[in-house]
This record gives sequence, structure tokens and C-alpha cells, in this order.
Amino acid sequence: GGIITQTPKFLIGQEGQKLTLKCQQNFNHDTMYWYRQDSGKGLRLIYYSITENDLQKGDLSEGYDASREKKSSFSLTVTSAQKNEMAVFLCASSIWASGNTLYFGEGSRLIVV
Amino acid sequence: GEQVEQLPSSLIVQEGASVLINCSYTDSASVYFPWYKQEPGKRLQFIIDIRSNMERKQNQRLTLLFDKKTKHLSLHITATQPGDSAIYFCSASANYGGSGNKLIFGTGTLLSVKP
Repeated sequence: GGIITQTPKFLIGQEGQKLTLKCQQNFNHDTMYWYRQDSGKGLRLIYYSITENDLQKGDLSEGYDASREKKSSFSLTVTSAQKNEMAVFLCASSIWASGNTLYFGEGSRLIVV
Repeated sequence: GEQVEQLPSSLIVQEGASVLINCSYTDSASVYFPWYKQEPGKRLQFIIDIRSNMERKQNQRLTLLFDKKTKHLSLHITATQPGDSAIYFCSASANYGGSGNKLIFGTGTLLSVKP
């Protein structure tokens, strides 16, 4: 079986700082995702990528950048951290085609001081 | 874009009870509806799914019902156990062809099963 690894588990930064989260998968999946999880708001899609070097915006992409450097990795950058952005960020991957299961990482918690 | 809503937002039941979680979506182009579960401190995991050409799917104590006309789903869990305590998420995906598997999630239902 494969695994998705997110780093770091906790990311502490100052307001206005640029912060980056990283995600690696060894499933050899084509599609990777970044979701933001806020209590009471469920999961909201920030960016996804259907193949290496591809980027697709989700509903919450403003204030974020993403990069799919290679098939196995997908990084997310908060361009200017704000205190109302403290949330858990979840990375996931799936086989390309619609109708396939997503496999999730354990999450990265962002703390802005 | 697609919006997915879930009710109730939380449920507390005694072990052995049955529960029903409701989900509605807005985009009639959505064709695939997986459900995920997040136990405390653990990663989200897939539990059951249904496609728009089906009305019902069962997996052990889970039954998923789908009504295409009303754009409504319901997840029925029977004989609940404390290990079922988790946040349950409904999600929806349209077949956008080349844009891959864009999955939109609901707000989640927190289920607590008391022993």
C-alpha cells in the first residue's frame, strides 16, 4: 500500500509571512489536491493538479499558490498568512479519472501569531 | 459551482441505535457521491460511494440512498458502536472529463456514540 506524507505537521508563522506546506505520495497517483478544513465548514478545495506541472483552482484559491513539481509531490504556499487562516490543510491524491477514491494525508495545522 | 450541504451538523446516540445523515447537492451534472469518515486524530478515509445510475448501495451496516430528482442522499448506519464516532462527510463530483476528479465536500456531521 501507499502513503501520503504531509510536512510539517504544525507550521507556525507570523502575520504577513509566506509559508509553504509540502505533500508527497507514493501511490503513483495522477491527481493531487489541497483542501482546507475549518470547524463547521467542512473541507474546501484550494487547488488541485491532474498531472505534473498542471494546476487547477478550487473555490478557495485566492491568497494561495501551488506547485506540482513532480508527479509525487504537491506544495501549497500561503502568500501572506493571516490570523483568520488558522486551519488544518489536507493533501489528498487519487487516480486521474472521476469516480475514484481520494487518499488523504494526516493534515498540517497552520498557526499564525 | 457545486454546493453540498449536510444535516444534522451533530448527533449523539446510544450504542445500538440507528442514525440517518442527510446530504443535498445543487449541481445536476454531479454523478459520483463518495462518503468519507474522519475519526478523532486520524486521516479521512473512504467508507461508501454511489453513482447517479443507482438508487441504493449497502456495505455491512451502512446503507446509502440516492434520489436524483430531489438531489438528495442519505446515509443510514445501523447498530452503531462507539468506534463509529467520527465526522462523516458527504461529497459530490461531476464528470468534467479532462479536469479530473474535482470533489466538493459537505460541512460534515459529527456523530458521537455513547456506550
